[in-house]
Amino acid sequence: GAVVSQHPSWVICKSGTSVKIECRSLDFQATTMFWYRQFPKQSLMLMATSNEGSKATYEQGVEKDKFLINHASLTLSTLTVTSAHPEDSSFYICSAERGVGTDTQYFGPGTRLTVL
Amino acid sequence: AQSVSQHNHHVILSEAASLELGCNYSYGGTVNLFWYVQYPGQHLQLLLKYFSGDPLVKGIKGFEAEFIKSKFSFNLRKPSVQWSDTAEYFCAVIPSLYGGATNKLIFGTGTLLAVQP
Repeated sequence: GAVVSQHPSWVICKSGTSVKIECRSLDFQATTMFWYRQFPKQSLMLMATSNEGSKATYEQGVEKDKFLINHASLTLSTLTVTSAHPEDSSFYICSAERGVGTDTQYFGPGTRLTVL
Repeated sequence: AQSVSQHNHHVILSEAASLELGCNYSYGGTVNLFWYVQYPGQHLQLLLKYFSGDPLVKGIKGFEAEFIKSKFSFNLRKPSVQWSDTAEYFCAVIPSLYGGATNKLIFGTGTLLAVQP
């Protein structure tokens, strides 16, 4: 149990376009989902915390207007990278917290974004 | 700055060797501690976690970790590694802030373990 999927697994887009990444908890409901970014040979950096039915909480330095997060249901959160630029190229990983306040996150497989 | 440190970036061992990966954190107060593993081409998986109680925690696949509060450490151990343990290992912390709790995972930089058959 506790499977989290992401779609797409990889995407290539042109500079200036927007890209949407989906994160789904397949066999459990997730009140809270998280979005991370991982640069090559670096650790995961938390971008934002997504709560179902409310606005996401962004970490310092993360532009909320650039990285739009929507957590419309208990099994789906989406991250939209708006007006993507080459510096947005990265590995984006989501996670979902199973149960409220359990502090245990289950991770998706990640999405590789390349902006040309 | 508050952080999570993993001292070994790259470890190479032969099969059957013992493993210890270091993890130190700099947050005060109560912390929840985790070790995650990422096998090649796969997503992050939880190896073990410590919230409270016995500071020696046993996880999956024969791994264990010991929380030493006085040293702000949570080192991962395995007495005898296998080739299939080749992966990247991440230590992570959820610190509790004054006046409330946070569920934000703060990751260390990761340790790449290569086990030679």
